[in-house]
Amino acid sequence: QKEVEQDPGPLSVPEGAIVSLNCTYSNSAFQYFMWYRQYSRKGPELLMYTYSSGNKEDGRFTAQVDKSSKYISLFIRDSQPSDSATYLCAMSPAYSGAGSYQLTFGKGTKLSVIP
Amino acid sequence: AAGVIQSPRHLIKEKRETATLKCYPIPRHDTVYWYQQGPGQDPQFLISFYEKMQSDKGSIPDRFSAQQFSDYHSELNMSSLELGDSALYFCASSLSSRFVGEQYFGPGTRLTVT
Repeated sequence: QKEVEQDPGPLSVPEGAIVSLNCTYSNSAFQYFMWYRQYSRKGPELLMYTYSSGNKEDGRFTAQVDKSSKYISLFIRDSQPSDSATYLCAMSPAYSGAGSYQLTFGKGTKLSVIP
Repeated sequence: AAGVIQSPRHLIKEKRETATLKCYPIPRHDTVYWYQQGPGQDPQFLISFYEKMQSDKGSIPDRFSAQQFSDYHSELNMSSLELGDSALYFCASSLSSRFVGEQYFGPGTRLTVT
């Protein structure tokens, strides 16, 4: 079993829809939870991050973390065609003092927003 | 704003050959990460460097080595290439004083081994 599970989709929604993307994880050491967006043939781009459980909102994007269920979500409101990309969840343990943090990614969900 | 630069962008090699990938982090970033992303796969962490010292090691094959130089650029050296090494190789950089996951990724080097 992978440490991070993410439904690869693909997910296709009409413009203006609310999109829900989810990941589950098994490693209790994960403390930081990130969502990256990756356009075709580009590097991942950090969208949002949260620390521990709770919600975080940034414009049309809301990230939720439920550590008790080991479940994280990303909601996209009023989805736009420009949101079409692959969305990867990523996680990391707490700071270890080593100066770097390896991210463990989910497989990514490919989202298409149809005009 | 300056981004992470990777070169070359595309590389075609034959089996058993050697390849060198280069990464130039964002200025003032002190940490560099290397990831491998196979077709349809998530990025897999290979290795990282903090202040020119190896900091963390992931699923990097023994045939691969990497280092970070005095100017903070990094090189990933891959020897005895195998077909399975064909993938997109990303370099990311970060500032250690910033949030842990705030890694900035380069555009990647697409390596094809034939």
